[in-house]
Amino acid sequence: DTGVSQDPRHKITKRGQNVTFRCDPISEHNRLYWYRQTLGQGPEFLTYFQNEAQLEKSRLLSDRFSAERPKGSFSTLEIQRTEQGDSAMYLCASSPGQFGSPLHFGNGTRLTVT
Amino acid sequence: SQQGEEDPQALSIQEGENATMNCSYKTSINNLQWYRQNSGRGLVHLILIRSNEREKHSGRLRVTLDTSKKSSSLLITASRAADTASYFCARTGANSKLTFGKGITLSVRP
Repeated sequence: DTGVSQDPRHKITKRGQNVTFRCDPISEHNRLYWYRQTLGQGPEFLTYFQNEAQLEKSRLLSDRFSAERPKGSFSTLEIQRTEQGDSAMYLCASSPGQFGSPLHFGNGTRLTVT
Repeated sequence: SQQGEEDPQALSIQEGENATMNCSYKTSINNLQWYRQNSGRGLVHLILIRSNEREKHSGRLRVTLDTSKKSSSLLITASRAADTASYFCARTGANSKLTFGKGITLSVRP
């Protein structure tokens, strides 16, 4: 199955450390999204890419967060100087790029900042 | 900000009963989508309804859309214990970005 895969599934880190997550989208999908989800809430949009271009960033994405999608394939999301408030599930999704098409989600990376 | 608001927040029903979940939104939409999420997993797309459609069916799912009231409902008929999950509505706005609501927790008792 060539669904969206995310790595790692779980990450525990100490406050102040940097972490990096990876997302491999469905290969023919040119749009890639990052969302953050906290317990009991819906996913909140962070950023998205059309191929390698980062087209939109949420104001939730502080300067400690950076996302890349080199060559329009996999993407990485880095959080620098993690804070306890960064603890959440980070979800990646991809879509074929037609306007409004459904998203295909990975199973997420659960981040716990201690 | 989350602009899809689901109602109720939690729903508990007996297996075999129908489950109705509602979603309201505030701004204009291109389409509205419903997703399901099992605990600890990613979201799975269930059904999409476009702004010029009023009703759509997919298996045991029926979704309606009332753009004048800015609301949608998802009906799951003949529910099963395996339908236990969280359900989210998400609107697609002008920029094609999906904005999700807070979700509804559905529990189906066997």
